[in-house]
Amino acid sequence: KNEVEQSPQNLTAQEGEFITINCSYSVGISALHWLQQHPGGGIVSLFMLSSGKKKHGRLIATINIQEKHSSLHITASHPRDSAVYICAVRGGADGLTFGKGTHLIIQP
Amino acid sequence: KAGVTQTPRYLIKTRGQQVTLSCSPISGHRSVSWYQQTPGQGLQFLFEYFSETQRNKGNFPGRFSGRQFSNSRSEMNVSTLELGDSALYLCASSLAPAGGSDTQYFGPGTRLTVL
Repeated sequence: KNEVEQSPQNLTAQEGEFITINCSYSVGISALHWLQQHPGGGIVSLFMLSSGKKKHGRLIATINIQEKHSSLHITASHPRDSAVYICAVRGGADGLTFGKGTHLIIQP
Repeated sequence: KAGVTQTPRYLIKTRGQQVTLSCSPISGHRSVSWYQQTPGQGLQFLFEYFSETQRNKGNFPGRFSGRQFSNSRSEMNVSTLELGDSALYLCASSLAPAGGSDTQYFGPGTRLTVL
């Protein structure tokens, strides 16, 4: 069973700061997902990675398969980025295994 | 294109009762996954269906069951409800089956409260 660890658990930053959230997993995977969950529960899939790096607007996600590690970066952070960010991994045909999430607050 | 819809959005039941939740995927999506989210355990995988077949199942008791219909709509059922079943139940749909490299689109969830 894959173990997924996220850090930090909580992060408060000022608007404009560069944000990094980390995710480590214990067993080889076929894909890693970064999800965003706003208060109220709605979840949005931000990225799905199996190798390398992806960028969407101010968000960048990287993955190092050898080190079993992924990072999510937010550049020029904004209060609307405040949310819970969740890392999830899939190994083969198994269902997703989730991290506990990182609670991010961006203060104006 | 309409997103993933879940009904009902909120539900209150008492211990021992049974509940059925419904999920309608995005048009054309044949894969539906179900997840449970609680404050203590976070998000946990329940089961995944593709083309009416259960592809895999998470570590939940047999009281949790599901099915998928020919139009890809899915239902999950929880029998003999326990207080610990109170949670947000989320479904997600995608084009590809389990293990595929495909984005999952989440519904808004059904918040179940068991009294």
